[in-house]
Amino acid sequence: GENVEQHPSTLSVQEGDSAVIKCTYSDSASNYFPWYKQELGKGPQLIIDIRSNVGEKKDQRIAVTLNKTAKHFSLHITETQPEDSAVYFCAAQRAGSYQLTFGKGTKLSVIP
Amino acid sequence: NAGVTQTPKFQVLKTGQSMTLQCAQDMNHNSMYWYRQDPGMGLRLIYYSASEGTTDKGEVPNGYNVSRLNKREFSLRLESAAPSQTSVYFCASGFRGSSYEQYFGPGTRLTVT
Repeated sequence: GENVEQHPSTLSVQEGDSAVIKCTYSDSASNYFPWYKQELGKGPQLIIDIRSNVGEKKDQRIAVTLNKTAKHFSLHITETQPEDSAVYFCAAQRAGSYQLTFGKGTKLSVIP
Repeated sequence: NAGVTQTPKFQVLKTGQSMTLQCAQDMNHNSMYWYRQDPGMGLRLIYYSASEGTTDKGEVPNGYNVSRLNKREFSLRLESAAPSQTSVYFCASGFRGSSYEQYFGPGTRLTVT
């Protein structure tokens, strides 16, 4: 089955700096890659996603890039703010499947 | 529009007790999911329902049963709770077709002593 590795497990940045979280996946048939943000005590919230026919997608301060050849994708957050502090999860989904396979999460701390 | 709702928010059980976690969505989604989240393990799929009337096992189904009561509701049952089932449980829902997004509820924190 699919295996998703996520790095780093923790990340601290100064407010205003950029943060990058990286994920690799094992199943070449995966074609959907969402990112979720989870604040303390809440459920995961979808913040951005990318499909395999696209190399990059941006939404204001966040962007996701996908390299299908290398089987890795990354989340980029620019101009970080304290409210960006949370746990971020990447996930991958095989074409035709209902199942998302999640990475183990990255705890991002933005220091004011 | 409440999205995905879950009850209860917290629950403590003794080993061997049973309980049902409830989930409902008001987004007219076809598919619904149950995940568990353990420290350092990310989210793991327990069961899912692709559409009303169907259910399938996910990655960690042992010790659980599910019921898709109607299009809105999807329940998770623990018949004989074990300490290994101490976890935070999340329900999610989503469309199929061109969109694969899953939307999560606020979670149920379950402790089995």
